[in-house]
Amino acid sequence: DAGITQSPRYKITETGRQVTLMCHQTWSHSYMFWYRQDLGHGLRLIYYSAAADITDKGEVPDGYVVSRSKTENFPLTLESATRSQTSVYFCASSEQGRPEAFFGQGTRLTVV
Amino acid sequence: RKEVEQDPGPFNVPEGATVAFNCTYSNSASQSFFWYRQDCRKEPKLLMSVYSSGNEDGRFTAQLNRASQYISLLIRDSKLSDSATYLCVVTHQAGTALIFGKGTTLSVSS
Repeated sequence: DAGITQSPRYKITETGRQVTLMCHQTWSHSYMFWYRQDLGHGLRLIYYSAAADITDKGEVPDGYVVSRSKTENFPLTLESATRSQTSVYFCASSEQGRPEAFFGQGTRLTVV
Repeated sequence: RKEVEQDPGPFNVPEGATVAFNCTYSNSASQSFFWYRQDCRKEPKLLMSVYSSGNEDGRFTAQLNRASQYISLLIRDSKLSDSATYLCVVTHQAGTALIFGKGTTLSVSS
């Protein structure tokens, strides 16, 4: 049971480049989330999705784009990476009607 | 002011100690409450849900006071393996995003 997986686990990219972080879950959970975690800020919500083709902004959405064409996938794209987007990114999912969420292993992104 | 506030610690305790973490939340519409645990450079993992009646899971006891908007976690007989960051988490309703406190760091030493 793979659960929820993120790829890549580590990524170094240059300022201005587009980069996509992948998230895949095998539970058929309705809800999926993207968080970033930074020292001093904790975990902050970037975007979330209630179902395929339904997405909404979280606390810190600027500079990010998401899509959800299939229930199991929720990619996060940085359109033009900036150094301030250096962070650890976590994808999570939760089941319809249940509030607790389960997290992927994270992607450590460095923008140079 | 963050919606969920925690004392960041660190809490440094010897093995066998009892340690308590506290958390407050500001939105009275919050409906579900959790403690998550996060090990260094790993993903957060659900430790336990928190109910108004209080709930216990082995050495861990969680309590919720809705009137005071206060959540607690008590760890008895601390183990070295309890060393981690403990995240207080609330949601407004099922399917909405988890809202995290910044976490409290616990270090248990022998």
